[in-house]
Amino acid sequence: AQSVAQPEDQVNVAEGNPLTVKCTYSVSGNPYLFWYVQYPNRGLQFLLKYITGDNLVKGSYGFEAEFNKSQTSFHLKKPSALVSDSALYFCAVRDRSNTDKLIFGTGTRLQVFP
Amino acid sequence: EAQVTQNPRYLITVTGKKLTVTCSQNMNHEYMSWYRQDPGLGLRQIYYSMNVEVTDKGDVPEGYKVSRKEKRNFPLILESPSPNQTSLYFCASRGQPNQPQHFGDGTRLSIL
Repeated sequence: AQSVAQPEDQVNVAEGNPLTVKCTYSVSGNPYLFWYVQYPNRGLQFLLKYITGDNLVKGSYGFEAEFNKSQTSFHLKKPSALVSDSALYFCAVRDRSNTDKLIFGTGTRLQVFP
Repeated sequence: EAQVTQNPRYLITVTGKKLTVTCSQNMNHEYMSWYRQDPGLGLRQIYYSMNVEVTDKGDVPEGYKVSRKEKRNFPLILESPSPNQTSLYFCASRGQPNQPQHFGDGTRLSIL
């Protein structure tokens, strides 16, 4: 069965330190990979995506993600965390067939402490 | 401004009373989807639509109906709501296959 795993329910980091939010997937073929962020009482906002090419993808608000095909991972990273980065983060994958089936991980809550 | 608009944002209702959550997008997107978000489960896809009059089941379609009579609108219908459908619902749309989805701000449904 196709699935996306975010092994950490919560990640705590001090402001100014680097952060990593982990994501691994089990989807056949070469899926499209996405990261979204959710702030309280809001919908999901797109951060970045991997389609093809360079394994390091840069996105919004200074976030980047590293695609590793052999480990089927797509970890979200940021060199220096901000308190305002505190939110719920979702990894999602979609296969390359012509459907709209998008599979989400269960989410990781990021807490950045001053 | 490009957006996905859902209504209502909040609704408390009773078991068995039919309800509809509307969703509209102004980006001329072909693809639209409905999700529900539950604690510890992330987002799960209910239904999606690849074009007008073309819809398909997602992972949790039981108890829901959808229609796509116009490109911009994709309403979610609960014919006979039950308490286990209490959840936060999101509508989303997208254009090309490699593009991300745009999400509405969500509808919080409570079924008593």
